[in-house]
Amino acid sequence: DAGVIQSPRHEVTEMGQEVTLRCKPISGHDYLFWYRQTMMRGLELLIYFNNNVPIDDSGMPEDRFSAKMPNASFSTLKIQPSEPRDSAVYFCASSSSGTQAYEQYFGPGTRLTVT
Amino acid sequence: AQSVTQPDIHITVSEGASLELRCNYSYGATPYLFWYVQSPGQGLQLLLKYFSGDTLVQGIKGFEAEFKRSQSSFNLRKPSVHWSDAAEYFCAVLRYGGSQGNLIFGKGTKLSVKP
Repeated sequence: DAGVIQSPRHEVTEMGQEVTLRCKPISGHDYLFWYRQTMMRGLELLIYFNNNVPIDDSGMPEDRFSAKMPNASFSTLKIQPSEPRDSAVYFCASSSSGTQAYEQYFGPGTRLTVT
Repeated sequence: AQSVTQPDIHITVSEGASLELRCNYSYGATPYLFWYVQSPGQGLQLLLKYFSGDTLVQGIKGFEAEFKRSQSSFNLRKPSVHWSDAAEYFCAVLRYGGSQGNLIFGKGTKLSVKP
């Protein structure tokens, strides 16, 4: 398996612009997670889905952030409008509810810089 | 509130020396515990996990961890460190009553390896 795929790997944008981060989970996994990692706050869970349905979005910082999972193999995290404080590494992870339940597999991350 | 504490921000060991990374958690019941490793520019990779049973668990890359309920600890160990082990290590606990998504991560310990 190719693992969790994220695109782009790096994104540089100007304040106020819309940013869309993309994720393809491991085939067969029914959970998908979006995390944000910063030096100050560490690794934070933003939102997660089960069978394409958002289960907990309490970590989404504000209304500027939105996430969708239109099907089992694709998810997006959108920031509109972006702000400099959104600069971070965003990770997508997936897991299965089967025999390897609770084992999250992370993608390589998207490093977002908002200027 | 539940939390995970990794007391050491940065540790340096010599190649071939033994390693112990500390992790303390606050949790009322038997926790589900994890150790992840993050190499520079990469996502997190699961090293090992503890759910129940034998309190000494073996993981990948020669790592092991011991769950000690009396000390609320889940320390990671390796008998002989290799230069390729230089990375950041994260301890995590499944949030009480949580489903797959609710992992709480520590702030991480960065490991440097001297030749």
